[in-house]
Amino acid sequence: DQQVKQNSPSLSVQEGRISILNCDYTNSMFDYFLWYKKYPAEGPTFLISISSIKDKNEDGRFTVFLNKSAKHLSLHIVPSQPGDSAVYFCAASQNEKLTFGTGTRLTIIP
Amino acid sequence: EPEVTQTPSHQVTQMGQEVILRCVPISNHLYFYWYRQILGQKVEFLVSFYNNEISEKSEIFDDQFSVERPDGSNFTLKIRSTKLEDSAMYFCASRLRVGTYGYTFGSGTRLTVV
Repeated sequence: DQQVKQNSPSLSVQEGRISILNCDYTNSMFDYFLWYKKYPAEGPTFLISISSIKDKNEDGRFTVFLNKSAKHLSLHIVPSQPGDSAVYFCAASQNEKLTFGTGTRLTIIP
Repeated sequence: EPEVTQTPSHQVTQMGQEVILRCVPISNHLYFYWYRQILGQKVEFLVSFYNNEISEKSEIFDDQFSVERPDGSNFTLKIRSTKLEDSAMYFCASRLRVGTYGYTFGSGTRLTVV
């Protein structure tokens, strides 16, 4: 089941710069998209979401962009901070169910 | 900040035994979920629960699995006869309403079947 894909398993970004995490999906029936952050030995923590009828949602340092025609979404974090180092999962929602990507490990370099 | 609490944090069980994983969702939340993550794999949906009944379940959630909300605060996942391949992190989640409102996940229970 590859309905949600995160093609970059890891990403390193200098502190203060922009981090861009990408996600692609195949199922056009998804109605919401969400980003989660996960530290080891903890559950995923909700960051930000976007409805399929929008193309951008912003919350502080986090912005999610959705390109429906390309079935692509991205998470921008600016400026990146050391505490942002974690695994980031995108997830897509259809009815009650979330389908997760495989995650991207983000490392912020001080 | 309100939390979803899961117990135990780690459970080791022998193959064929029954296990019950426990969760206390956030008190005013209405929708409850179980997900699991096998080591090195994706987080996978198991089941959703609303209004005291299962609203959706995945192919993984076969007859050996069941969920219950026995007392209005706990939400449990029972695995009747565990198999080696049930070894995974099991995450409970809850949310107040559907839509863009994100789930709150617990810290997970690591189940090891030996």
